[in-house]
Amino acid sequence: QKEVEQDPGPLSVPEGAIVSLNCTYSNSAFQYFMWYRQYSRKGPELLMYTYSSGNKEDGRFTAQVDKSSKYISLFIRDSQPSDSATYLCACSRGAQKLVFGQGTRLTINP
Amino acid sequence: ETGVTQTPRHLVMGMTNKKSLKCEQHLGHNAMYWYKQSAKKPLELMFVYSLEERVENNSVPSRFSPECPNSSHLFLHLHTLQPEDSALYLCASSQDPVGGTDTQYFGPGTRLTVL
Repeated sequence: QKEVEQDPGPLSVPEGAIVSLNCTYSNSAFQYFMWYRQYSRKGPELLMYTYSSGNKEDGRFTAQVDKSSKYISLFIRDSQPSDSATYLCACSRGAQKLVFGQGTRLTINP
Repeated sequence: ETGVTQTPRHLVMGMTNKKSLKCEQHLGHNAMYWYKQSAKKPLELMFVYSLEERVENNSVPSRFSPECPNSSHLFLHLHTLQPEDSALYLCASSQDPVGGTDTQYFGPGTRLTVL
């Protein structure tokens, strides 16, 4: 079993829709949870970072962590074509070692 | 130059060639990483350097040899690669604090094709 599972998609939604991206993980020792966005031919860039359980909001993006069910989510409100990218979730027990999900390829259609 | 840069951006090599990938970070960070990104697979951590010392080597074949001469530069020397080594190789850096976790900043990657 992979430590972090993520549906690779692809996921295609119309502009303006609410997008929900999800990951599950198996290691209860994970304390830090991140979402990275990767555009085509670019490296991943950090989008959201959460410590332990709870919600975090940044503009149109909301990250949720439910440690009891080992489930992490990223919501994108009022999605834009510029949000089209691959979204990677990552989990960590501490410094340095991130464990990534496979990534979900998202397309927002105008 | 800002952030994390990688050269070359694209590389095609034969199985008997020797080549090197270069990474440079301009962020004043103390830790640097090499990752491999293959199609339909999660990013795989290959090597971690903290303060120029290798602290992690995730069972990577010896045909990949990292070098970290200082905290700003990281190399990945390639020798006698296999076609299955074709992938996007990403370099990252982080501040490397004691305890907690630190944000990793990625370069654009080197797209490697092994013929």
